[in-house]
Amino acid sequence: LAKTTQPISMDSYEGQEVNITCSHNNIATNDYITWYQQFPSQGPRFIIQGYKTKVTNEVASLFIPADRKSSTLSLPRVSLSDTAVYYCLVGDRRGSGSARQLTFGSGTQLTVLP
Amino acid sequence: KAGVTQTPRYLIKTRGQQVTLSCSPISGHRSVSWYQQTPGQGLQFLFEYFSETQRNKGNFPGRFSGRQFSNSRSEMNVSTLELGDSALYLCASSLLGGTSYEQYFGPGTRLTVT
Repeated sequence: LAKTTQPISMDSYEGQEVNITCSHNNIATNDYITWYQQFPSQGPRFIIQGYKTKVTNEVASLFIPADRKSSTLSLPRVSLSDTAVYYCLVGDRRGSGSARQLTFGSGTQLTVLP
Repeated sequence: KAGVTQTPRYLIKTRGQQVTLSCSPISGHRSVSWYQQTPGQGLQFLFEYFSETQRNKGNFPGRFSGRQFSNSRSEMNVSTLELGDSALYLCASSLLGGTSYEQYFGPGTRLTVT
């Protein structure tokens, strides 16, 4: 199974840029890397998705190196409302065929301080 | 557009009983995935259905099963409940699923097994 590794927690101050890295050594060749945000008592919310290099949308950027064994979620100028748990999600290589085990990282608790 | 809905939101069952959870995906979405979330194990993938067929499956025992109907609604069944099945069960829908994991999650069903 793919093993995804994220830092357990991070603290930041309002207005700073935050970078959260996820390691995923066994990612499936043609799978995307996806990041989610989760607030207490809610389901995860899609943030951004990428396959390689860099992807940017209105809320975040995603950096993926050429070997795709890791990815970094970048949140520019965080605010108090960005305090949440952030998860990466990848598909795991599983031999031949199309079957995949989807593996969430253990999540990173981001706390934004005033 | 209405989001993913899950029923019931809360459920209390006794060991040995069985339970059925329901998920209605976003209109037009054909892929439905189920996840179990616990404080100790985090978010774990149960299975994915697409066009009424199970496409991917996680590492859960056969007591956990699911199905998808022609209108893309999905149900998850857990038989012979154990105390360890107490968790938040999340359903997520996506347009096509597959290797793109842009999923939209429901609020979850909180299952407590006593």
